[in-house]
Amino acid sequence: QVQLEESGGGVVQPGGSLTLSCKASGFTFERHPMHWVRQAPGKGLEWVARISHDAKFKSNGDSVTGRFTISRDNSENTLYLQMNSLRIEDTAVYFCAKDLPDGYAFDFWGQGALVTVSS
Amino acid sequence: QSALTQPPSVSGSPGQSVTISCSGTSSDVGYYDYVSWYQQSPGTAPKLMIFEVNNRPSGVPDRFSGSKSGNTASLTISGLQADDEADYYCCSYTKRATWVFGGGTKLTVL
Repeated sequence: QVQLEESGGGVVQPGGSLTLSCKASGFTFERHPMHWVRQAPGKGLEWVARISHDAKFKSNGDSVTGRFTISRDNSENTLYLQMNSLRIEDTAVYFCAKDLPDGYAFDFWGQGALVTVSS
Repeated sequence: QSALTQPPSVSGSPGQSVTISCSGTSSDVGYYDYVSWYQQSPGTAPKLMIFEVNNRPSGVPDRFSGSKSGNTASLTISGLQADDEADYYCCSYTKRATWVFGGGTKLTVL
């Protein structure tokens, strides 16, 4: 069965950096685009970034442009999110999600990693 | 990119039907038939319930259905059950090749 497990969350000061990882199993990782979606405490979902199956194409939301970078290592079945210049408003649970083939939706989600930006 | 507009809350009694609306623009909901809906219970990850406006993934009951008219999509849950109580989010692919979510709707089963 599909499993996605995030790690790397924690507490970081404003302006700091953090890298999240998402280990995938139960499917052919290298064939599927992947996403990061976040949820601030008590708030709704916000799409963060997407990467194509071969890492050639990346896109992201306006709020993280120039600060966050999505990447992947298909040999390790792992998705990453490098977060720089973190702001208090980046505090959220970060979910990795698998792309539904040809469906422009997210069919499987990890349990999330909490990132807290605080001084 | 502004979030799609959903009612903050809806409610219904067991057995009844409820509909949750999701209002966007001609650049997102109205541009493609790539609207999806997610169910999220407290402390858990979202679960895909509907994709491409009105398609259900395997395992989702046919009590859940979706539709779209112009810039507004809707999720209808018929035959409400207690375990349908959750937050529901719509999401649309946009003409900018990004994704945008709605603000979420809390469904209460009375």
